[in-house]
Amino acid sequence: SAVISQKPSRDICQRGTSLTIQCQVDSQVTMMFWYRQQPGQSLTLIATANQGSEATYESGFVIDKFPISRPNLTFSTLTVSNMSPEDSSIYLCSVLQGYEQFFGPGTRLTVL
Amino acid sequence: GQNIDQPTEMTATEGAIVQINCTYQTSGFNGLFWYQQHAGEAPTFLSYNVLDGLEEKGRFSSFLSRSKGYSYLLLKELQMKDSASYLCAVRADTDKLIFGTGTRLQVFP
Repeated sequence: SAVISQKPSRDICQRGTSLTIQCQVDSQVTMMFWYRQQPGQSLTLIATANQGSEATYESGFVIDKFPISRPNLTFSTLTVSNMSPEDSSIYLCSVLQGYEQFFGPGTRLTVL
Repeated sequence: GQNIDQPTEMTATEGAIVQINCTYQTSGFNGLFWYQQHAGEAPTFLSYNVLDGLEEKGRFSSFLSRSKGYSYLLLKELQMKDSASYLCAVRADTDKLIFGTGTRLQVFP
């Protein structure tokens, strides 16, 4: 199974600033996903990131707010831009390997 | 649109059996997944159903009926450590997983 790490594990940020979250996988994967999990809620897909192409965003999420990079098959970043308190959430990176989908440990973001 | 429903909360007693239901309406179907998530941790994979029927894995079993858009997760011989959220997710017409609302299960002694 894929082993996924994320940095930072948590952060407290001021409104109006931006934070970039890194996701590193121990093996090459084609498809990576970014999810958001707000307190007490289930997971909501933000976007799908494939290497060599632009990310595909879900309804309600836009590239200007959540720019994503996918420079190679083991790494991706998600930036949360111009943050507001409503962006306080856990952000999870996920990869597809075979039919299984694995999740990183998440980045807990608090925006003041 | 995509719609995946689960009960919000359930309670059960240690040693008992609990069934967590999931109904779905999605554009396409390429498999249904169950994940367990303890508070503050990432979801961990429990089971995968793509054909109708029951899949058994130790104390956990998962059932799927594609014609009814229905699945359940059955947990037997409940233990205190089974207190967690259980997430039903469907792989629809692309490779992305769409998650249900999640069911928070509390196991009492």
